[in-house]
Amino acid sequence: DAGITQSPRHKVTETGTPVTLRCHQTENHRYMYWYRQDPGHGLRLIHYSYGVKDTDKGEVSDGYSVSRSKTEDFLLTLESATSSQTSVYFCAIRGQGQVRAEAFFGQGTRLTVV
Amino acid sequence: SQQGEEDPQALSIQEGENATMNCSYKTSINNLQWYRQNSGRGLVHLILIRSNEREKHSGRLRVTLDTSKKSSSLLITASRAADTASYFCATDPLEGYSTLTFGKGTMLLVSP
Repeated sequence: DAGITQSPRHKVTETGTPVTLRCHQTENHRYMYWYRQDPGHGLRLIHYSYGVKDTDKGEVSDGYSVSRSKTEDFLLTLESATSSQTSVYFCAIRGQGQVRAEAFFGQGTRLTVV
Repeated sequence: SQQGEEDPQALSIQEGENATMNCSYKTSINNLQWYRQNSGRGLVHLILIRSNEREKHSGRLRVTLDTSKKSSSLLITASRAADTASYFCATDPLEGYSTLTFGKGTMLLVSP
């Protein structure tokens, strides 16, 4: 299995509080992604990174920010959590040897905003 | 908006039968990939097909790609109960940074 770890695995938080999810990789992959998965929507891209300090928005980036200060870590922050951000969040990595190759996914973080 | 759309949304078959899932997409692609997700788990890569390829095989999996119709199909032959999962197609765009855009998936149930 690819070395990718998400933390925490589960979190319950209150509306209006900031939340940070962490994705850590040991594979030295260039690309890192944050997706959310909701019933009826499949996976939707929130933000992605193509290098240290290089990030860009995905399809559903409103209310989220990211940071990548080193190759191995990609942080997703919900600045002020809302109930609509209750979801399962997946981190993925890609592009060690060949950039346009397969992605490896973490096990997911189940976030509940109450 | 999402790039890939899988069809059907759900598929129920018996062990030993073949399962076919289809994916349609909208823009030009570098490659198309299929992933599997077991309940409560992360996605696992199954197979990648490049835009200049028409068919690819991996074990019991067969993937076809028709770029003129912007569609792909995944065939699982001789299905097993362990194949029960959700299957997603993902497209890698021809231009720009290498992102993967996923469809909504097909839920496959294989009954013993």
